[in-house]
Amino acid sequence: DAEITQSPRHKITETGRQVTLACHQTWNHNNMFWYRQDLGHGLRLIHYSYGVQDTNKGEVSDGYSVSRSNTEDLPLTLESAASSQTSVYFCASSDPASGYNEQFFGPGTRLTVL
Amino acid sequence: GIQVEQSPPDLILQEGANSTLRCNFSDSVNNLQWFHQNPWGQLINLFYIPSGTKQNGRLSATTVATERYSLLYISSSQTTDSGVYFCAVNNYGQNFVFGPGTRLSVLP
Repeated sequence: DAEITQSPRHKITETGRQVTLACHQTWNHNNMFWYRQDLGHGLRLIHYSYGVQDTNKGEVSDGYSVSRSNTEDLPLTLESAASSQTSVYFCASSDPASGYNEQFFGPGTRLTVL
Repeated sequence: GIQVEQSPPDLILQEGANSTLRCNFSDSVNNLQWFHQNPWGQLINLFYIPSGTKQNGRLSATTVATERYSLLYISSSQTTDSGVYFCAVNNYGQNFVFGPGTRLSVLP
């Protein structure tokens, strides 16, 4: 079955380290998204991509970067992790060509920055 | 940008009771989704419902786009319905905006 996966599911890192979170989808969706979820803030958009080589900043993009070299993957990189980036990160994808633009979410990655 | 409100913020029910969750949005939308985040954190798609009414088992949803609201109905609630319910909307090419959620607790 087609799906969207994230790895790792849990990560503990130290302040200042570079961290990359992986997102992989097998639906061949053009659109992919990264969100973070924090208590009191709900889900907020970090970065998104509408296709290969396309990346865009979302609401809370500072300190994060993404790259899209193929349809299936959108890795999220924290260049120099900060304690404020402790959060749960969700990847999502959608296929606007279907006419529905329905988003499907991965299982999430819990990141702790010490 | 578009604003999304959900009510009530918290809801406690006895197993078997019915409930209605509401999502209000401040501008025209062409997409609306309802999600259930279970106690393990997983986001589960419930409905994609930019307009009209849909039903799936004990759950149903209605969106009245012209009046800028959507309702999620849960009938005969079960303890497995516990979690947080989010609505998310997007407005003609913009990205989805999530509401703050309704936290539902169903007691046995």
